[in-house]
Amino acid sequence: DAGVTQSPTHLIKTRGQHVTLRCSPISGHKSVSWYQQVLGQGPQFIFQYYEKEERGRGNFPDRFSARQFPNYSSELNVNALLLGDSALYLCASSYWQGNQPQHFGDGTRLSIL
Amino acid sequence: AQSVTQPDIHITVSEGASLELRCNYSYGATPYLFWYVQSPGQGLQLLLKYFSGDTLVQGIKGFEAEFKRSQSSFNLRKPSVHWSDAAEYFCAVVLANAGGTSYGKLTFGQGTILTVHP
Repeated sequence: DAGVTQSPTHLIKTRGQHVTLRCSPISGHKSVSWYQQVLGQGPQFIFQYYEKEERGRGNFPDRFSARQFPNYSSELNVNALLLGDSALYLCASSYWQGNQPQHFGDGTRLSIL
Repeated sequence: AQSVTQPDIHITVSEGASLELRCNYSYGATPYLFWYVQSPGQGLQLLLKYFSGDTLVQGIKGFEAEFKRSQSSFNLRKPSVHWSDAAEYFCAVVLANAGGTSYGKLTFGQGTILTVHP
């Protein structure tokens, strides 16, 4: 079975631009979460989505937004990019209920010039 | 505030030696606990998890972890390290919630980089 897939794998943008990152969850998983991992740190929670609704939001500015589609895939959008947005963006999927852990994709490496 | 602490930023061991990576958490209630491993340029792979029951849990690749409620700790161990274990290890917690709404909000420690000498 395919794991969590993310696209693109790498992306280079300049300050002020916007970016869209995509995630396809493991088949059968209906919850998707997004994390930002800055170099040298642990991942930081950004959003959780389930059934196309936002179920959790971390401490990130409104420049960050996301959505989930009927097939449970998800997009993370970041507007007005700053140098500090350079990071590895990780998507994780899981079952919504029950004692099931999250499974992560390999991430999208975003570099801001 | 909820927090996870991994006191050791970098650990170096010789191949074949035993390993223990420390993790402490600060939560108002018993959380669910996880250890993930990350190789350079890759995502996170789940090593093991603790939800309830036996406080000693077994994971993949020969790893195990012990939950100690009195110490708010969840240390990762391996009796004999292999060169392929070199990676960064993350402890993570999520507040247990019967409705499942917290399962997506993992809080991670800062990570411990493991170097293995031949």
